[in-house]
Amino acid sequence: NAGVMQNPRHLVRRRGQEARLRCSPMKGHSHVYWYRQLPEEGLKFMVYLQKENIIDESGMPKERFSAEFPKEGPSILRIQQVVRGDSAAYFCASSPPLEDTQYFGPGTRLTVL
Amino acid sequence: AQSVSQHNHHVILSEAASLELGCNYSYGGTVNLFWYVQYPGQHLQLLLKYFSGDPLVKGIKGFEAEFIKSKFSFNLRKPSVQWSDTAEYFCAVIDSGGYQKVTFGTGTKLQVIP
Repeated sequence: NAGVMQNPRHLVRRRGQEARLRCSPMKGHSHVYWYRQLPEEGLKFMVYLQKENIIDESGMPKERFSAEFPKEGPSILRIQQVVRGDSAAYFCASSPPLEDTQYFGPGTRLTVL
Repeated sequence: AQSVSQHNHHVILSEAASLELGCNYSYGGTVNLFWYVQYPGQHLQLLLKYFSGDPLVKGIKGFEAEFIKSKFSFNLRKPSVQWSDTAEYFCAVIDSGGYQKVTFGTGTKLQVIP
C-alpha cells in the first residue's frame, strides 16, 4: 500500500505566479488535510477535506488560497499570485473514516523568488 | 482552542544517553495524543499514539511516552539514543470529541553525537 503521495517535491515560483500542489491520499483514505510548516515553526493546520467537500478551512488564508478534493484525482492546494511569505513546506495527510491517526506525505517545498 | 507546547527546541545528546522530550497541551476536553518524527529530508512518521487505556505507550524504535492527565503532559522518552535518532520530533493533539484537526507543537530538534 503506497503512502501519501505529494508532487512536486520542490516548486519554485516567482512572485505573482500560481502554485499548484497535489496530494494523493493512501488507498482507502477519504479524508485529506493540508498543513503548512514555516521555517522554525511547527505545522499549522490549513484545511480538512473529504471527497468533494471542504469540512474545515479555518486555517486557510482568506485570499489567494484554495483547496479541493474532487471525486476523482488528487487533492489540490492552489495558491494564486504567490508572495515571498508563501515560501514554506506544505504537507498533506490522509486518514480513513473514523480514525484519528493521520499519515503524512513527504511534503512540497515551495520557494517564491 | 487547544495548544501544544514543546519546551526544548534543540537538544544535543551523546549516543547511549537517555532522552526525555517534554510536551504539554492545553485543552479542557478529552484528547488523543501523538508523537511524530521527521528524519532529515523525510516526511513525518508516526512514532506512537495514545487514545485511551494504559497511559504508558510504547512506540517504534524503542520510544515510549507517558500520558499524565493531571499535568496535561505527554513526554517522550528513550533510555538510550542512537545517532540514527537524530531528527525533529513533534508532539500533536486531536480533540477526540471532534473531527480530526491536529494541533502540533513547534518541534524539538534532536542531535545525537556519535
